[in-house]
Amino acid sequence: SAVISQKPSRDICQRGTSLTIQCQVDSQVTMMFWYRQQPGQSLTLIATANQGSEATYESGFVIDKFPISRPNLTFSTLTVSNMSPEDSSIYLCSVEDLMGQGAEGYTFGSGTRLTVV
Amino acid sequence: AQSVAQPEDQVNVAEGNPLTVKCTYSVSGNPYLFWYVQYPNRGLQFLLKYITGDNLVKGSYGFEAEFNKSQTSFHLKKPSALVSDSALYFCAVRTHSSYKLIFGSGTRLLVRP
Repeated sequence: SAVISQKPSRDICQRGTSLTIQCQVDSQVTMMFWYRQQPGQSLTLIATANQGSEATYESGFVIDKFPISRPNLTFSTLTVSNMSPEDSSIYLCSVEDLMGQGAEGYTFGSGTRLTVV
Repeated sequence: AQSVAQPEDQVNVAEGNPLTVKCTYSVSGNPYLFWYVQYPNRGLQFLLKYITGDNLVKGSYGFEAEFNKSQTSFHLKKPSALVSDSALYFCAVRTHSSYKLIFGSGTRLLVRP
């Protein structure tokens, strides 16, 4: 399986500021995904990031608020811009993964726990 | 639209007893089904998946799940629960034609000694 390194693991930020989260994969992957998990909630897909093209955002998420970069096949960043307390969540990156069995699956990073004060 | 339902917010079971965490889904087309576990302050860990083939799928840590097409269910099971199984469990679904993974609301499993 792919191994994902996600940074930072947690942060406490002032409202109005921005935080950039990094996701590094140990192998080349076509698609990378960014999820948000609000406190006590399930995971919601924010956007899909493909190398060489703009990210595709889900309903309710916009590029100005969550700009994403995908400079190569092993790396992506998600920025949470102009933060408010409502942005306090866990943010996770994910990749499609063959999981050594020739069948598709998904591997997740360990997440970034963001608290906005 | 694709959706996943986990009807139980929490499941309580005694150590050594069998456990079941329920999941039902709604998709158009053949489903790919997944179970993930989340421990406190950790990301999601893959448990098992159903893509095709045998309806009974065996996964990590002694967990298994049975795909039931007629009931559109994919319940997670384990014959003998451990206290260390206590965590948050998520069921998820996608279809062959869509890469998007849709998650259920999650079920908290509490295994008491």
